[in-house]
Amino acid sequence: AQRVTQPEKLLSVFKGAPVELKCNYSYSGSPELFWYVQYSRQRLQLLLRHISRESIKGFTADLNKGETSFHLKKPFAQEEDSAMYYCALSAYNTDKLIFGTGTRLQVFP
Amino acid sequence: DAGVTQSPTHLIKTRGQHVTLRCSPISGHKSVSWYQQVLGQGPQFIFQYYEKEERGRGNFPDRFSARQFPNYSSELNVNALLLGDSALYLCASRVPWQGTDTQYFGPGTRLTVL
Repeated sequence: AQRVTQPEKLLSVFKGAPVELKCNYSYSGSPELFWYVQYSRQRLQLLLRHISRESIKGFTADLNKGETSFHLKKPFAQEEDSAMYYCALSAYNTDKLIFGTGTRLQVFP
Repeated sequence: DAGVTQSPTHLIKTRGQHVTLRCSPISGHKSVSWYQQVLGQGPQFIFQYYEKEERGRGNFPDRFSARQFPNYSSELNVNALLLGDSALYLCASRVPWQGTDTQYFGPGTRLTVL
């Protein structure tokens, strides 16, 4: 079965602390993995994807096929990082995204 | 460009009624997908349409249907509404064959079924 698991509903850290949002997936083939973010009162938007292996707003995510994980990391959290974060997967070249339940990140000053 | 637009923003219906939600994709985008997001959950895929044809369907009952028009806008219809249909309905559009990551989401329509 195709599934994305985000075990933490809420993650609270202080500004400057490291952040790791966990994501594990279950998929029989080779999926594409993504992180989407939703800031307060804004629409859902793509943060990053595993294929590009890029860093966006200081966030990185490495696909670990052995552990079927795609954890999102940032070494020094900022207050503006406070948002809802969703991990998602899709089969190659399809529009169907399978989302996790999301993790709310709160960064305190 | 205003991005993906959806109407209405909010809607209240009673059980048994039907509802039509509308989505206008970004200009030039020919693929439209619909998602349902229940409170506390991530979005769930309902449909994808490309060039007016259904290209994908999620695990939703036949009460859910959709269509895409020649101008690539789309409607999602839900018949015989149930309380459990209360959710945020998201529309996403993308330029085809440029990878799933180029999907752009609309602000959603919040449906409340009483």
